[in-house]
Amino acid sequence: ETGVTQTPRHLVMGMTNKKSLKCEQHLGHNAMYWYKQSAKKPLELMFVYSLEERVENNSVPSRFSPECPNSSHLFLHLHTLQPEDSALYLCASSQDGVRQNEQFFGPGTRLTVL
Amino acid sequence: AQSVAQPEDQVNVAEGNPLTVKCTYSVSGNPYLFWYVQYPNRGLQFLLKYITGDNLVKGSYGFEAEFNKSQTSFHLKKPSALVSDSALYFCAVRDWKNYGQNFVFGPGTRLSVLP
Repeated sequence: ETGVTQTPRHLVMGMTNKKSLKCEQHLGHNAMYWYKQSAKKPLELMFVYSLEERVENNSVPSRFSPECPNSSHLFLHLHTLQPEDSALYLCASSQDGVRQNEQFFGPGTRLTVL
Repeated sequence: AQSVAQPEDQVNVAEGNPLTVKCTYSVSGNPYLFWYVQYPNRGLQFLLKYITGDNLVKGSYGFEAEFNKSQTSFHLKKPSALVSDSALYFCAVRDWKNYGQNFVFGPGTRLSVLP
């Protein structure tokens, strides 16, 4: 295990539902990330939090709303999603401020939007 | 802008044979290069990284990678492939922006090791 956990592992939701993805890291890192992984597409960086402040938002639609209440927890709130949002959502963490440091990834949440 | 290319979508190799997964990169400054592996229904796992120093970097599970500055390449290698090495492999480069550190990932190469 990498020290990064994600819940739930699988989620099926309708287009009108509201749900949240949760990520927790037990590594003492100070930066956390959300990625979207779709079939046959490169990893897409969605959001970056460094020291609990959002430092990156890669033109992600507003139906995705991140929240980072502390350095160990990261949420992705979902509402009125579209079928094309179905993907594997990966959370990662790293120790910011040291450019050599690699990211540690959680197992992902497989999201299906009906 | 920083970028990473993995020219092969799929690499097939027989068990026991050496394997190579290719990666080329483009950066404006000194590159920090990484390899990750993803097994089915799992997140990415860090394998190895190049920061500075020896061009040959050794990592987890017997993998190594060779940094070649003149060819801007960072190919992943293993002397003897195992069936359990079958997975999706990602090359990544560190991209410093104003506020933090963003990784740029390649599209991935699927490795199949045949028994």
